[in-house]
Amino acid sequence: AQKITQTQPGMFVQEKEAVTLDCTYDTSDQSYGLFWYKQPSSGEMIFLIYQGSYDEQNATEGRYSLNFQKARKSANLVISASQLGDSAMYFCAMREGPSRDDKIIFGKGTRLHILP
Amino acid sequence: GAVVSQHPSRVICKSGTSVKIECRSLDFQATTMFWYRQFPKQSLMLMATSNEGSKATYEQGVEKDKFLINHASLTLSTLTVTSAHPEDSSFYICSARGGGGNNEQFFGPGTRLTVL
Repeated sequence: AQKITQTQPGMFVQEKEAVTLDCTYDTSDQSYGLFWYKQPSSGEMIFLIYQGSYDEQNATEGRYSLNFQKARKSANLVISASQLGDSAMYFCAMREGPSRDDKIIFGKGTRLHILP
Repeated sequence: GAVVSQHPSRVICKSGTSVKIECRSLDFQATTMFWYRQFPKQSLMLMATSNEGSKATYEQGVEKDKFLINHASLTLSTLTVTSAHPEDSSFYICSARGGGGNNEQFFGPGTRLTVL
């Protein structure tokens, strides 16, 4: 069974609009971490934002925010005021367990296209 | 953030040859490094986890004799694809944990391997 589910294979959004990328996860651990990464066409993985399972407040990093709904096991990424440079592949990821050595697994990704 | 480098960035080799990919953490000591493989338009699949000075832990389905991983120092891990075949052509990405923020996993820029 998939641990990380991203249901939107592709999205087209008008520049300057806000974008929500969906992510749901499946774990029985109480301690886990959720990540979002951006992968432009160059291939590099760019860390965007992190949410710990015990964090009470939603994480925010500049234009990125993570809408964490623990009961629903949902960790959607919200990008405010989208820009052309936001066009890329976006991956939701999860690390199960409290140890920093625990592996991170990725969802299948959402390709975001920002339209001028 | 912390910097992880990979070398080479691209490699083309003939079928049957071995290829070594280096992953270096440039400004921090990486106690744990991870190797991922990404096929075109797909997600990152974890191949193995390596801790400095110990044997790598391979994910199910990954041939340890084919993908040799060495994590000899806190700043260097190598992945050797032995007797490469065209089906091994892929984008190989390493990541490292051990420095910087509490939860970030820093990714290298990736190595594109093409086996003819």
